[in-house]
Amino acid sequence: AQSVAQPEDQVNVAEGNPLTVKCTYSVSGNPYLFWYVQYPNRGLQFLLKYITGDNLVKGSYGFEAEFNKSQTSFHLKKPSALVSDSALYFCAVRALNSGNTPLVFGKGTRLSVIA
Amino acid sequence: DGGITQSPKYLFRKEGQNVTLSCEQNLNHDAMYWYRQDPGQGLRLIYYSQIVNDFQKGDIAEGYSVSREKKESFPLTVTSAQKNPTAFYLCASTRLTGPGDYGYTFGSGTRLTVV
Repeated sequence: AQSVAQPEDQVNVAEGNPLTVKCTYSVSGNPYLFWYVQYPNRGLQFLLKYITGDNLVKGSYGFEAEFNKSQTSFHLKKPSALVSDSALYFCAVRALNSGNTPLVFGKGTRLSVIA
Repeated sequence: DGGITQSPKYLFRKEGQNVTLSCEQNLNHDAMYWYRQDPGQGLRLIYYSQIVNDFQKGDIAEGYSVSREKKESFPLTVTSAQKNPTAFYLCASTRLTGPGDYGYTFGSGTRLTVV
């Protein structure tokens, strides 16, 4: 079975400070990992993905994520947070060779960037 | 522009009434998905379809029905059997073959409220 855990319901950070939103996963075999962002009353927007290759993945709006196979983690990071980054962030996973099974999403982490 | 369109944006349902949420995509995507979003519970999969005239139940299919008569369309009916339908409903789509990533494209959502 596939699963995703986002251990923090809420993350607060001051504008200009680095931010981290945590994600751990469980799959059989190699993972296919995503981060999405959701603004109020909107659908989810793609931020970045990891399939294979470099463990540090760069995505939209200055976000990046670090894949750590030994810790089964895929934490989202940004060196300097903006107030406009305040939103709900979702991590998602499926096994790379799972025959197109649907993505499994975490429960989401609400990021609040304070000016 | 290619995209995925959900309508209506807001929908009100009376007790005992069936309602249908529309989802249309012009991305030529193979698979389509319906998720339900409740505060603090993340996204839960209701139904998905990977090919026309075929669909599979997700984790919370009870009280819902779908059809996939055309590749572009995947309507969701919330039946009177769904006892707690008030939620934000998200439709998504993706390719299943060919080059590139298989991330999901999401619609803007439909907020359903029981009155």
